[in-house]
Amino acid sequence: GENVEQHPSTLSVQEGDSAVIKCTYSDSASNYFPWYKQELGKRPQLIIDIRSNVGEKKDQRIAVTLNKTAKHFSLHITETQPEDSAVYFCAARKTSYDKVIFGPGTSLSVIP
Amino acid sequence: GAVVSQHPSRVICKSGTSVKIECRSLDFQATTMFWYRQFPKKSLMLMATSNEGSKATYEQGVEKDKFLINHASLTLSTLTVTSAHPEDSSFYICSATGLAEGSADTQYFGPGTRLTVL
Repeated sequence: GENVEQHPSTLSVQEGDSAVIKCTYSDSASNYFPWYKQELGKRPQLIIDIRSNVGEKKDQRIAVTLNKTAKHFSLHITETQPEDSAVYFCAARKTSYDKVIFGPGTSLSVIP
Repeated sequence: GAVVSQHPSRVICKSGTSVKIECRSLDFQATTMFWYRQFPKKSLMLMATSNEGSKATYEQGVEKDKFLINHASLTLSTLTVTSAHPEDSSFYICSATGLAEGSADTQYFGPGTRLTVL
């Protein structure tokens, strides 16, 4: 089955700097890659997603890149703010109604 | 956007009792619902996938007789933890996907249920 790895497990950045989180997946049939932000005790919130027919997607300060050949994808957050502090999960899925497999998560701390 | 609710948000029970958790899609029909379990500072671990009107598909290592899942309608799925023990204490989160506004295949998560078994 699908296996998603994620690095780093923890990340601390100064406010205003950029943060990059990298993920790899094992199943070449996966074609949908969402990213979730989870604050303590809360539900995961979808922040951005990318499909396999696209190499890059951007939404304001957040961007995601995908390299299908290498089976890895990355999340980039620019101009980080303290409210960006949370746990971020990458994930992968095959078909529209298939299960989403989560990476182990990255705890991001933005230091004011 | 689509809304998924869960009830209860927190439950404390004695060892040996059964606990039922409800997951509802409030404004869309959820053809598929997923149940996850999350331990502190860990990732979401998929327990099972349920489709309306059919038996749930459990992930390897998840006891289907202990974690009973019912998806009786397009807006409701339930997870029953039977004969709960302290090691079942965890954060249980459901998600739903279906014919939601904006995206037909986005997964929407419920707020989670914190189960504590004494």
